[in-house]
Amino acid sequence: GAVVSQHPSRVICKSGTSVKIECRSLDFQATTMFWYRQFPKQSLMLMATSNEGSKATYEQGVEKDKFLINHASLTLSTLTVTSAHPEDSSFYICSASYGANVLTFGAGSRLTVL
Amino acid sequence: KQEVTQIPAALSVPEGENLVLNCSFTDSAIYNLQWFRQDPGKGLTSLLLIQSSQREQTSGRLNASLDKSSGRSTLYIAASQPGDSATYLCAVMGSSGDKLTFGTGTRLAVRP
Repeated sequence: GAVVSQHPSRVICKSGTSVKIECRSLDFQATTMFWYRQFPKQSLMLMATSNEGSKATYEQGVEKDKFLINHASLTLSTLTVTSAHPEDSSFYICSASYGANVLTFGAGSRLTVL
Repeated sequence: KQEVTQIPAALSVPEGENLVLNCSFTDSAIYNLQWFRQDPGKGLTSLLLIQSSQREQTSGRLNASLDKSSGRSTLYIAASQPGDSATYLCAVMGSSGDKLTFGTGTRLAVRP
């Protein structure tokens, strides 16, 4: 149990376009999901906390208008990178709370902006 | 397929002890290895990142080592404190840089 599916695993897009990444909890309901990103040679960093039915909480330095997070249901959170630029190229990963103290992770999405 | 195992699954120690958390991985072709802590209900906090070409990293009371050939990493916590109580996760990034595999974590409790 407790599987998180993240899609797509790889995406390449042109500068200026928007890209949506989905994070789904397959066999459990997740009231809270987390979004992270990792730039090359840097550590994974929390971007935002996504709560079902309410606005996401963004970490300092993360532009909420650029990284739109929607958590409209208990099994799906989406991250949309709007007007993507090459500096947004990164590895994005989501996780979902399962039970009291367990986080389950998606496999991640590699975004390349040309 | 990369598999990451952490031992022990849970650990309870008195305050002040030095302790070692272990992480092993099956595929030595990695890009980097990271250690995180997770507090209940919160997202991950990054502790240390070791690139595949490095052997260790230190931050304060934390020291992480990497032996890529044997597929092992250890996280050493010196002079443990109750505030260190959390779940510690290691994660391995595949050599292609597009897949992160997490261990199952070690739940640490430091008793005052």
